[in-house]
Amino acid sequence: AQSVTQLDSHVSVSEGTPVLLRCNYSSSYSPSLFWYVQHPNKGLQLLLKYTSAATLVKGINGFEAEFKKSETSFHLTKPSAHMSDAAEYFCVVSGGGFKTIFGAGTRLFVKA
Amino acid sequence: DVKVTQSSRYLVKRTGEKVFLECVQDMDHENMFWYRQDPGLGLRLIYFSYDVKMKEKGDIPEGYSVSREKKERFSLILESASTNQTSMYLCASSLWETGGTGELFFGEGSRLTVL
Repeated sequence: AQSVTQLDSHVSVSEGTPVLLRCNYSSSYSPSLFWYVQHPNKGLQLLLKYTSAATLVKGINGFEAEFKKSETSFHLTKPSAHMSDAAEYFCVVSGGGFKTIFGAGTRLFVKA
Repeated sequence: DVKVTQSSRYLVKRTGEKVFLECVQDMDHENMFWYRQDPGLGLRLIYFSYDVKMKEKGDIPEGYSVSREKKERFSLILESASTNQTSMYLCASSLWETGGTGELFFGEGSRLTVL
């Protein structure tokens, strides 16, 4: 069975400070893991994905995530937040067939 | 630029009405999906299709049906809309060979309100 838990429903940071969005997963398979971003009134866009290559994955807009098997985590980070990063972020686990599980989402607020 | 287009961004319907949500993709993708998005619940899969005329139930198919007569078009049908179907509906597509493990390309969503 697969599951994904986003540990924070809301995260608030100041512009220019680091961003950390936390995600834990559970999977019976060797999973593929994704982060998607959704800006207001828009569809979801892929930020980055892990598919068993390098454990540190770089994505678009300066985001990166590290796959830690021992901790079953796939946290999303960015060194310096920008106002345009304000959005909702979804951690996603996928592992076989068409079974893709979305986390509940983390809304990121960026203060000027 | 790849594109998934959902024809209606906002709809308001009455209880009991039949509702059609249309989705078209221009990427020649084999797989197409309909998700429902509700606050605090993330996205939940309603139905998916991996080929023309093929369809498979997702996690919450009750009250919904789908149609895929052409590769580029995937329709979601609410036979008799109910207030608990008020939600944001997202269509997505992906390449066949990636199955469920590849990148999903999303439309901008259709926000349905059932009164």
